[in-house]
Amino acid sequence: NAGVTQTPKFQVLKTGQSMTLQCAQDMNHNSMYWYRQDPGMGLRLIYYSASEGTTDKGEVPNGYNVSRLNKREFSLRLESAAPSQTSVYFCASGANEQFFGPGTRLTVL
Amino acid sequence: GIQVEQSPPDLILQEGANSTLRCNFSDSVNNLQWFHQNPWGQLINLFYIPSGTKQNGRLSATTVATERYSLLYISSSQTTDSGVYFCAVREGYQKVTFGIGTKLQVIP
Repeated sequence: NAGVTQTPKFQVLKTGQSMTLQCAQDMNHNSMYWYRQDPGMGLRLIYYSASEGTTDKGEVPNGYNVSRLNKREFSLRLESAAPSQTSVYFCASGANEQFFGPGTRLTVL
Repeated sequence: GIQVEQSPPDLILQEGANSTLRCNFSDSVNNLQWFHQNPWGQLINLFYIPSGTKQNGRLSATTVATERYSLLYISSSQTTDSGVYFCAVREGYQKVTFGIGTKLQVIP
């Protein structure tokens, strides 16, 4: 039982490049989330998915897209990365109690 | 949207001391969680506590939903307790809002 897994752990991009962050959970949760964490701040919600086939914007969705591939997997895509997207990205799952993955540290140069 | 305030922002403790961290929120919430982010960045669930009191070893938490606050108690602190403690509240069905955290340093 791995819980919530994320890949990659680290990534460096150049401005304008694209990439997809992958997240998977094995807890049979309907709800999944993507957050970003910036220095000195709490986590801010980017997108969430209440169930397979549905996605909704959170607090800071600009510059991101998501796909809920199936019940287990929820991916976050940066189409044209910008330095302002340098952050640590966390995926989470769970409706009432949330469980977090280990995070992806992304640097955009 | 809902506002979540945590206090104190920073805390330094001598090993063995006790502490109380506070989370205030501005509106009714469906649930509340406390997390510990360790120095390696991992977010660890401490408590899911929409109301009432729970205890887990040296840690305990109390949420008084009607008065819009929650408290996290750490007793006999250890150096491994160092890190950032976050409070997160849920309003409505999905929206979750985090506080900016209390940074705790426990020194030997």
